[in-house]
Amino acid sequence: DSGVTQTPKHLITATGQRVTLRCSPRSGDLSVYWYQQSLDQGLQFLIQYYNGEERAKGNILERFSAQQFPDLHSELNLSSLELGDSALYFCASSVAYTGGPTDTQYFGPGTRLTVL
Amino acid sequence: AQTVTQSQPEMSVQEAETVTLSCTYDTSENNYYLFWYKQPPSRQMILVIRQEAYKQQNATENRFSVNFQKAAKSFSLKISDSQLGDTAMYFCVFRGLSTDKLIFGTGTRLQVFP
Repeated sequence: DSGVTQTPKHLITATGQRVTLRCSPRSGDLSVYWYQQSLDQGLQFLIQYYNGEERAKGNILERFSAQQFPDLHSELNLSSLELGDSALYFCASSVAYTGGPTDTQYFGPGTRLTVL
Repeated sequence: AQTVTQSQPEMSVQEAETVTLSCTYDTSENNYYLFWYKQPPSRQMILVIRQEAYKQQNATENRFSVNFQKAAKSFSLKISDSQLGDTAMYFCVFRGLSTDKLIFGTGTRLQVFP
């Protein structure tokens, strides 16, 4: 158990819908990261937040957005869902940002999103 | 842009044997970090080992060790005394010095047979 929690574990929805994925980082971690794992794209970095502020953006679609709240939990919002958005979405957390190698990113168990 | 290549989609090894997973990467940076993460059937992503590019000594974690060849941009993972619990997808991962973004390879699926 990494200490990072993600809810829900599974999500099944229809095209055009909107969903929210939730992540709680490890106690003491200020950085939260979102990654998408899909069959065709592999594992891709989406976005990073540090202490409530956006720090880095990756291949995140405009239909997707995220935020980190004062209690440090984070939410990833996916809207106008398409079949191709079906994937495993991971949240990870670390103590700081642009830290050294010991600033490990610990991954949550992931949320499996299925868009029908 | 940095890229990570894992040319072995699948590998298998018998229990108690040794197996080596290959990884090459491309970067113009001189200092960076490299990692191996494993993803067992549970889908949890678990850090196996890490290496700082500015360190010449190869990292070791119990049965796991790496062969880091900076000039060749090669970073292989050796698993000794393989165990059934080592069955997983293994990802080679790159991180630059000035970023926290992890860049993943496509993974090598390792099956350990009894």
